[in-house]
Amino acid sequence: NAGVTQTPKFRILKIGQSMTLQCAQDMNHNYMYWYRQDPGMGLKLIYYSVGAGITDKGEVPNGYNVSRSTTEDFPLRLELAAPSQTSVYFCASSYGKSSYNSPLHFGNGTRLTVT
Amino acid sequence: TQLLEQSPQFLSIQEGENLTVYCNSSSVFSSLQWYRQEPGEGPVLLVTVVTGGEVKKLKRLTFQFGDARKDSSLHITAAQPGDTGLYLCAGAPETSGSRLTFGEGTQLTVNP
Repeated sequence: NAGVTQTPKFRILKIGQSMTLQCAQDMNHNYMYWYRQDPGMGLKLIYYSVGAGITDKGEVPNGYNVSRSTTEDFPLRLELAAPSQTSVYFCASSYGKSSYNSPLHFGNGTRLTVT
Repeated sequence: TQLLEQSPQFLSIQEGENLTVYCNSSSVFSSLQWYRQEPGEGPVLLVTVVTGGEVKKLKRLTFQFGDARKDSSLHITAAQPGDTGLYLCAGAPETSGSRLTFGEGTQLTVNP
């Protein structure tokens, strides 16, 4: 059972370059999320989706875009990479909305460095 | 944005010692989750507490949800090196159950 799979694991970008972080889940979860994790800052929500075709902004959406064309996939797009986007990015999924009976399942992260 | 403050931010102890990690907020949460994260991996759920005053035990780990559902604590008895990791609390605000708010985390190191 793969769970939540993120690719790539590591990436170095130059300022202004673009890239897509891939995320796929095989648990038939409706909800998917993108977080970024910076040292001492916990996890900040970038975007989330409650189902195919539906996405919404989280706390820190600027500089990112997402799409949700299928239940399984939730890619995160960086159009013009900036040093402030250096971080570890985590994708997560959950079956439903209510967190007490629908916990988050996380991927193993993508470590991105923008220089 | 509801804030969750965790303390301490860093904790380094010897094997066999006890410790408590705190997670506090001025907001009320419908539920609160604790996750543990190891280097190079994503967070993994340890427990969810829902009812004010609730206490849950997971082997040597004891989790408590405050009576007012604004705070929580994690107590580890006789810590072991395998307990080393980043402990994160996450609260589900009463008004938006799908958008968890995470604390900054407590980095625990248990030395043999």
